[in-house]
Amino acid sequence: QVQLVQSGAEVKKPGASVKVSCKASGYTFSSFYINWVRQAPGQGLEWMGIINPSGGSTWYAQKLQGRVTMTRETSTSTVYMELSSLTFEDTAVYYCARAAQLYDAFDTWGQGTRVTVSS
Amino acid sequence: DIQMTQSPSTLSASIGDRVTITCRASQSISNWLAWYQQKPGKAPNLLIYKASNLESGVPSRFSGSGSGTEFTLTISSLQPDDFATYYCQQFNDYSRTFGQGTKVEIK
Repeated sequence: QVQLVQSGAEVKKPGASVKVSCKASGYTFSSFYINWVRQAPGQGLEWMGIINPSGGSTWYAQKLQGRVTMTRETSTSTVYMELSSLTFEDTAVYYCARAAQLYDAFDTWGQGTRVTVSS
Repeated sequence: DIQMTQSPSTLSASIGDRVTITCRASQSISNWLAWYQQKPGKAPNLLIYKASNLESGVPSRFSGSGSGTEFTLTISSLQPDDFATYYCQQFNDYSRTFGQGTKVEIK
């Protein structure tokens, strides 16, 4: 079945970087875009950006430009999201989510990765 | 960026009730709207795409309508499994913004 499996929880200090992985299975990896969405504790959903696994093109939310980098590894059907210069406000659950088109609903989600920024 | 505003923020209802959640966009988004359900500690789950299309596997008691700037999600007969938070999302422009969520609680 279609599945996105994310890496485990992380605890980071302010100023550090975090890299979260999202491994796809059950479908043709290059045929679907992967979005990243985060959710701070008790808050709503925030779109972070999107990567096209076929070619690697990326589009990032304006708020995160310069701090977020999304990459992919086609040999393992894995997408990565790296966020740098972490602050306490980056504490959140980070989700990857699949979409069939560049502008499209997110039909499959990963289980989420909790990132805690703490001194 | 397009702003998405949901109402109400919280809704108390009983099993069997008909429930309607509204989502308004700050500018026209045609029918580029999706609805998601999220339960505590879980990832969101797609219910409706392109405003009115039911995602495969989603119960038919869920329906969506609207276009332009005003949209609704309706649950025709609320079931125990439906107590959750619901989010709308626009994918008309780059920002792909979500509404702030509507929590459906047991009355």
